[in-house]
Amino acid sequence: QLQLQESGPGLVKPSETLSLTCTVSGGSISSSSYYWGWIRQPPGKGLEWIGSIYYSGSTYYNPSLKSRVTISVDTSKNQFSLKLSSVTAADTAVYYCARGFVDLPFDPWGQGTLVTVSS
Amino acid sequence: QTVVTQEPSFSVSPGGTVTLTCGLSSGSVSTSYYPSWYQQTPGQAPRTLIYSTNTRSSGVPDRFSGSILGNKAALTITGAQADDESDYYCVLYMGSGIYVFGGGTKLTVL
Repeated sequence: QLQLQESGPGLVKPSETLSLTCTVSGGSISSSSYYWGWIRQPPGKGLEWIGSIYYSGSTYYNPSLKSRVTISVDTSKNQFSLKLSSVTAADTAVYYCARGFVDLPFDPWGQGTLVTVSS
Repeated sequence: QTVVTQEPSFSVSPGGTVTLTCGLSSGSVSTSYYPSWYQQTPGQAPRTLIYSTNTRSSGVPDRFSGSILGNKAALTITGAQADDESDYYCVLYMGSGIYVFGGGTKLTVL
């Protein structure tokens, strides 16, 4: 059974870069046809797609975040990562990672990790 | 930028039927948008209910169904139960690798 687990600092200072890793177990991150995505949810608010990376290495980002987001894959560690630069308090959210393909975009999900942006 | 619209809240009686919708600020939702639906309870990660318009995810009861109704995607819950009280989110594929979530619907069962 495929499982995903987010990890990274729970507190990031304003203007710094948020870095998170998603570790995939129970399957290979190099599997063709799938992509690996990040989604976030500010406290008390809805879900927001951040971006995805395909098995081919192609990346796709939310246009509203594109200038600050980088998603990459480390196949040797079966992990993929998110970097979000120049963070502000508005980036405080639970960050989820998920696997998907076009018609089943996000499944399964990781349990999520809360990242707070504060000095 | 395209906005995906959902009812902010909805209420249904136990045993009743409710249809939640997922639309576009401009244009109509079709199967080409591969609408998916997720259920989320407080403190939990979302759970996939429906994908590709009307395919139920593994383990999802058949009282959850998806469809296209008019110009929107729809999630219908037939015979609502107390534990269906959750937030429901739709997501649409906009093409070119881009996805957009709706704002979510808070469903109350009372």
